[in-house]
Amino acid sequence: AQKVTQAQTEISVVEKEDVTLDCVYETRDTTYYLFWYKQPPSGELVFLIRRNSFDEQNEISGRYSWNFQKSTSSFNFTITASQVVDSAVYFCALSEASSSNTGKLIFGQGTTLQVKP
Amino acid sequence: NAGVMQNPRHLVRRRGQEARLRCSPMKGHSHVYWYRQLPEEGLKFMVYLQKENIIDESGMPKERFSAEFPKEGPSILRIQQVVRGDSAAYFCASSQTGGSNQPQHFGDGTRLSIL
Repeated sequence: AQKVTQAQTEISVVEKEDVTLDCVYETRDTTYYLFWYKQPPSGELVFLIRRNSFDEQNEISGRYSWNFQKSTSSFNFTITASQVVDSAVYFCALSEASSSNTGKLIFGQGTTLQVKP
Repeated sequence: NAGVMQNPRHLVRRRGQEARLRCSPMKGHSHVYWYRQLPEEGLKFMVYLQKENIIDESGMPKERFSAEFPKEGPSILRIQQVVRGDSAAYFCASSQTGGSNQPQHFGDGTRLSIL
């Protein structure tokens, strides 16, 4: 069965601290895609990154970095030198490339990150 | 703004009324997904449509809920005879070609409140 678990419900840090958001997934597919989305207090969902199951290279984009470890079924997200504007709910999601390949996303419960000044 | 447009942003209905939520996908996108976010929860897939076709409705409640994506005009998520438990944020997303490798771009959502 497919599932995404974000065990951290809420995290609170002080500005400039580094913070890592955990994501663990379950799937039987050998081909799948992993995503991170950000939901700021205004409520919209912002796409951050997509990763396919065959590419385990870590990715860095500015202060954001992602660590994909297939061996532990994890796709963790690190924010370096956090800022108040990073305060949001962050969702990890899985999409399986099974025969139906509809592209539906399976979301984790989300992690609420609060960055204090 | 060529993003995914959802309206209304907020919708209030009394129990038993009908709710209609609209979604216009990004320009050039013909694949639409609807998700529901209950309070304090993550998003749950409801239905996936391509122009004039429902491709996957495995997440739709069996009764009172329906969706369409006509050849012309926005996609509509319709909830008949709303109940308190329907209160949630409903998000629409679109992608260019569908499929699991395509990033889905989300609208701002419609917050539905049932009195």
